[in-house]
Amino acid sequence: QQQVKQSPQSLIVQKGGIPIINCAYENTAFDYFPWYQQFPGKGPALLIAIRPDVSEKKEGRFTISFNKSAKQFSLHIMDSQPGDSATYFCAAGGRGSQGNLIFGKGTKLSVKP
Amino acid sequence: KAGVTQTPRYLIKTRGQQVTLSCSPISGHRSVSWYQQTPGQGLQFLFEYFSETQRNKGNFPGRFSGRQFSNSRSEMNVSTLELGDSALYLCASRLSGYEQYFGPGTRLTVT
Repeated sequence: QQQVKQSPQSLIVQKGGIPIINCAYENTAFDYFPWYQQFPGKGPALLIAIRPDVSEKKEGRFTISFNKSAKQFSLHIMDSQPGDSATYFCAAGGRGSQGNLIFGKGTKLSVKP
Repeated sequence: KAGVTQTPRYLIKTRGQQVTLSCSPISGHRSVSWYQQTPGQGLQFLFEYFSETQRNKGNFPGRFSGRQFSNSRSEMNVSTLELGDSALYLCASRLSGYEQYFGPGTRLTVT
């Protein structure tokens, strides 16, 4: 009930492409869904987050799509750049986890020039 | 505003030893959470402290413990180290909502 499943494990796209990373959760009590970006040797950095009362949220080139009935959410990166090459983690939390985060296993994204 | 800071950044210990890691949250943040990151298990929640009290605990053995001081700084301790404790230990702080901000982590290697 506390799992968050993330796919794919790795992703390679060309510069300008739109990588899409998907996550699914089980606990319907979760009400906070963030995405984190992590570069080697660094801690995860909060990119964007969504609450279940909206179906989409955009911040710059990053968009979260949220499907409450399917218990799924995804991250789209528009006009991807080589500098976006990093590992991306989805997470779920909020009421269903007393505020702490349950993370997906991560997606290693490589954007080729 | 300064971000979350963690010390030391790197640590090498021997099996059976104990270790203490330190975390200073973002100024004004009173909640500090600790996570363990490994290639196999990913990011796993250890515990959360708020106002010097443990508010939440993950599924880790009692060898893992923590505390928080009145200035919100936190320490975590691992006793009787095992090879499997080798990991990146991350500290995150938050204000009042759900947004957590992570530090750079402490890379612990147990030999």
